[in-house]
Amino acid sequence: DTAVSQTPKYLVTQMGNDKSIKCEQNLGHDTMYWYKQDSKKFLKIMFSYNNKELIINETVPNRFSPKSPDKAHLNLHINSLELGDSAVYFCASSQEVRWDEQFFGPGTRLTVL
Amino acid sequence: DQQVKQNSPSLSVQEGRISILNCDYTNSMFDYFLWYKKYPAEGPTFLISISSIKDKNEDGRFTVFLNKSAKHLSLHIVPSQPGDSAVYFCAASAIVNYGGSQGNLIFGKGTKLSVKP
Repeated sequence: DTAVSQTPKYLVTQMGNDKSIKCEQNLGHDTMYWYKQDSKKFLKIMFSYNNKELIINETVPNRFSPKSPDKAHLNLHINSLELGDSAVYFCASSQEVRWDEQFFGPGTRLTVL
Repeated sequence: DQQVKQNSPSLSVQEGRISILNCDYTNSMFDYFLWYKKYPAEGPTFLISISSIKDKNEDGRFTVFLNKSAKHLSLHIVPSQPGDSAVYFCAASAIVNYGGSQGNLIFGKGTKLSVKP
């Protein structure tokens, strides 16, 4: 059983399109995160939700919007995709907001053409 | 502005020998440091951490050393095994959990470790 799963694994799309990446965790955790790993390999936190409440919202364009329908899911919607959005996006979860307790998903590679 | 630097993009070590991965940081507010391991096509996995009140933390074959005056930490793997081959990320934060902008988790670019049989 996968603890943190993401769909799709790969996503190729055209500039200007709107796309979503889904994340689900079956660990019963209260906190979920989205990270972006850019072309320079840096991992950066984008958002975090705790009990469906947004608690971390780093400097991310408004085109990115997280949506948490319940504690087990945190989806990432991206509007008007740009070339610079090409990256690997990782979802993660933890019980509390602790860096040493995070479980990461396998990542979604987004390519914007 | 890289606050966490891993200057060696790759490292190759013979099985059974010691692997030493290095990490430097610039922000003196950082108080908590972590190492993550990442296999291809998988997400990072937390490996070991250290807070600034310690200079060493050990967990089995993995030991992290912290030199606050030099703003330097290192991960030692002894003995190295082929299964240790992965990308290792160093990360730092001003706090063990999220505490606003000062508590964000900053990652280095990673070092790819190859352990040869």
